[in-house]
Amino acid sequence: DQQVKQNSPSLSVQEGRISILNCDYTNSMFDYFLWYKKYPAEGPTFLISISSIKDKNEDGRFTVFLNKSAKHLSLHIVPSQPGDSAVYFCAASAYMGATNKLIFGTGTLLAVQP
Amino acid sequence: NAGVTQTPKFRVLKTGQSMTLLCAQDMNHEYMYWYRQDPGMGLRLIHYSVGEGTTAKGEVPDGYNVSRLKKQNFLLGLESAAPSQTSVYFCASSKRTGLNQPQHFGDGTRLSIL
Repeated sequence: DQQVKQNSPSLSVQEGRISILNCDYTNSMFDYFLWYKKYPAEGPTFLISISSIKDKNEDGRFTVFLNKSAKHLSLHIVPSQPGDSAVYFCAASAYMGATNKLIFGTGTLLAVQP
Repeated sequence: NAGVTQTPKFRVLKTGQSMTLLCAQDMNHEYMYWYRQDPGMGLRLIHYSVGEGTTAKGEVPDGYNVSRLKKQNFLLGLESAAPSQTSVYFCASSKRTGLNQPQHFGDGTRLSIL
């Protein structure tokens, strides 16, 4: 049972345009959400996060939007650059007794074409 | 500035063999985690530790054991490797748990069980 879903395995965007990566979740108890970026042969690196009490968080070219009623979040990258080409994982946090557990989506491969 | 270092990067085992994956972090983080990543799936939590001398089970703990004898090290053991354990293993650490304490990942260990 996939609690965090990224339904688009891949996305191709032209350099300079907007990239929109989507994520859906099923558990209303998640209290914050994160996006990680992963290059081949490297570990995921943290990109941006958002608390469940907010609907938007912005950091430079990256903005995450949260729609709690729809249980949906999205990551916007504007403008997209070739260096943004990577796999993007959405993750949701759930408290599990001693620590917050991260539940990851399956990832979306973003290709930014020069 | 090493961050999280995983050893080895690649390994091939035969079914039934045992091995230990080592994770070391130099950020003085309290929390450490082991994940596995399989094709078409997100990262799944195997075991985690909230401090030196403590360990706890995650989502997929069966067939694995862990130890956290020193704060900076988190070991993942496979006592009797099975082909189903072929995967990429990621170690992560965080200072604490929470929105502003993202997990930092190592570059992974690619493990093949024949």
